[in-house]
Amino acid sequence: QSVLTQPPSTSGTPGQRVTISCSGSSSNIGSNTVNWYQQLPGTAPKLLIYSNNQRPSGVPDRFSGSKSGTSASLAISGLQSEDEADYYCAAWDDSLKGVFGTGTKVTVL
Amino acid sequence: EVQLVQSGAEVKKPGESLKISCKGSGYTFTSYWIGWVRQVPGKGLEWMAIIYPGDSDTKYSPSFQGQVTISADKSISTAYLQWSSLKASDTAIYYCARGISIDYWGQGTLVTVSS
Repeated sequence: QSVLTQPPSTSGTPGQRVTISCSGSSSNIGSNTVNWYQQLPGTAPKLLIYSNNQRPSGVPDRFSGSKSGTSASLAISGLQSEDEADYYCAAWDDSLKGVFGTGTKVTVL
Repeated sequence: EVQLVQSGAEVKKPGESLKISCKGSGYTFTSYWIGWVRQVPGKGLEWMAIIYPGDSDTKYSPSFQGQVTISADKSISTAYLQWSSLKASDTAIYYCARGISIDYWGQGTLVTVSS
C-alpha cells in the first residue's frame, strides 16, 4: 500500500556518496514536507531528516535531504559501515493519512 | 526526554481479541497526535491510524479502517490499538509513533497470530 516509490537497494564503498530517491504525487510530497527514517537491523526506525532537509540534533551532517516537486532525495556522503540500514521516506497525504516509501536497503561494500 | 514505551510481545490464536498499548512521557500527551505503524517481518512500514488525545479525533488508513481501533486514555498518557478478531495476516511488529510528522517511535510490539 506504499504510495511513495524508492529503489529497493543501493550500495557504496566507505567514503562514497550515495543517494536515495523518493517519488510521490501532488497529494503527498507535492503539497507536504518529507521526513526520512533510518532503521538499523532489529531496531525501531529513527528520524533522520524532517521538513525536507532539517537534521534533528545528533544526526551527522553526512546526511542531507532535498525536495523538488513530487520527489525527494536523501544523500549520504562519506558513507560509513554503520550507515548500513534500511531507509524510508514519509509524508502526509491530503487524503488524510500518512504514507511511507517502499524502503531502500543501503549496503556498505 | 520524550519516550514511548509499548506493551510486550503477544502470541494469540486466530479469532481472539487483543489490545496493545503505548505510554508516552516527557511531553504533553494531549498536544501531539500519536499513531500506529505496522511492519510485517522483512517488509516495509505501513501507516495505520492516528489519534489526537486532546479531543480523540482519529484518522485511519483505508487499508486498516474497520480492521483495528485506535484509542487513547489521556489520564494515563496511553494510546491503544485494538483488534476484535485477529487473523494470521495480522502477525507483525507494531510501532507507536508521535506526530503527523513522526519524530519519536516506540520500541515495537511483536504480535504473533497462529493456531
